[in-house]
Amino acid sequence: AQSVTQLGSHVSVSEGALVLLRCNYSSSVPPYLFWYVQYPNQGLQLLLKYTTGATLVKGINGFEAEFKKSETSFHLTKPSAHMSDAAEYFCAVKGSSGSARQLTFGSGTQLTVLP
Amino acid sequence: DTAVSQTPKYLVTQMGNDKSIKCEQNLGHDTMYWYKQDSKKFLKIMFSYNNKELIINETVPNRFSPKSPDKAHLNLHINSLELGDSAVYFCASSQPTGEAAFFGQGTRLTVV
Repeated sequence: AQSVTQLGSHVSVSEGALVLLRCNYSSSVPPYLFWYVQYPNQGLQLLLKYTTGATLVKGINGFEAEFKKSETSFHLTKPSAHMSDAAEYFCAVKGSSGSARQLTFGSGTQLTVLP
Repeated sequence: DTAVSQTPKYLVTQMGNDKSIKCEQNLGHDTMYWYKQDSKKFLKIMFSYNNKELIINETVPNRFSPKSPDKAHLNLHINSLELGDSAVYFCASSQPTGEAAFFGQGTRLTVV
């Protein structure tokens, strides 16, 4: 079985400040990890992914995340928040076999960017 | 060129009706999914379908049934709709392992 925990259902930052959204996972097989963003009334858009290789992955819109196996974490960061970053962010895990191939999502973090 | 498209975008219907939501992907992916997003934004996998292998989330009522006429399509049929079925339903597709899933824009189902 696999699961994802996102700490903080709501995060507020000031424009220009660091964005840090936390994600911890559990998986019985080597995980593939993803961050998605959802803008109001829209579908989910892939921000970045970790499959294998370099543990620091860069995504779109200046976001990046680091896979830390020892901490079972995959936190999302952005050095400087922009008003357009306000959205719902989902961390997800996917395994490599059986039912673990399904993408399992965390409960989401609503990011608010204050002017 | 939309990668994953689903129709309709909005669906309002009465309790007890039967309805279908259609999904098509042009990415050549082998696996397709249906997710339900509730009012608190929580995303729950309902089904995944890969080369005629159907994996069902055991919590999904049997009123929900996926139908795949071919690899590019996975439709969702819902019988005897209930108020609690009101949600946003997302279709997605991916390759079986490793790669990210691509999502449709969602179908907002409202049962009255």
